[in-house]
Amino acid sequence: KNEVEQSPQNLTAQEGEFITINCSYSVGISALHWLQQHPGGGIVSLFMLSSGKKKHGRLIATINIQEKHSSLHITASHPRDSAVYICAVRSGGNNDMRFGAGTRLTVKP
Amino acid sequence: NAGVTQTPKFRILKIGQSMTLQCTQDMNHNYMYWYRQDPGMGLKLIYYSVGAGITDKGEVPNGYNVSRSTTEDFPLRLELAAPSQTSVYFCASSYPGVSQPQHFGDGTRLSIL
Repeated sequence: KNEVEQSPQNLTAQEGEFITINCSYSVGISALHWLQQHPGGGIVSLFMLSSGKKKHGRLIATINIQEKHSSLHITASHPRDSAVYICAVRSGGNNDMRFGAGTRLTVKP
Repeated sequence: NAGVTQTPKFRILKIGQSMTLQCTQDMNHNYMYWYRQDPGMGLKLIYYSVGAGITDKGEVPNGYNVSRSTTEDFPLRLELAAPSQTSVYFCASSYPGVSQPQHFGDGTRLSIL
């Protein structure tokens, strides 16, 4: 079993819909990151969470440390949100991150 | 700032050939990483470095070597290419600290035939 599991693997939505992507992890962590991988392959960091909730524009990320679960929400989805969203966790004292396999989101106009 | 620059973007190798994937960053980051991304799998760490002259193995180091002679550069070498090394390779860099985001290059798509 992977240390970081994401669901769903693939998600298709209509423009304007509310999107939720889930991430569960099985290890103790010091930080959780959400990343976006563009269709061209480039990867950018969206959020870093260690507790609570963060919001950036139409994106909201939450984390529940006790349940070892995080969600990424996209409000009023748009075709330009189409990408692979990746959850990654860092454990205290480690220099590496463990990555989920990603959720491929397609938003249709 | 260019950020993290990887070269080449694409490469096809024959089994047994060797090559070096180049990575350079201009953000003065101490930490640098090499990952591979296989279809349907999460990124896997190959090697990382916490500063010039210091490197360490990650989760999947077999078949690869690295060096870190400067803060800016972190090349990844494949000595005897094997089909199992067909993958997309990403270099990343960051400041120290678990809360620091990693900055990624655009990736190198490598096929071994």
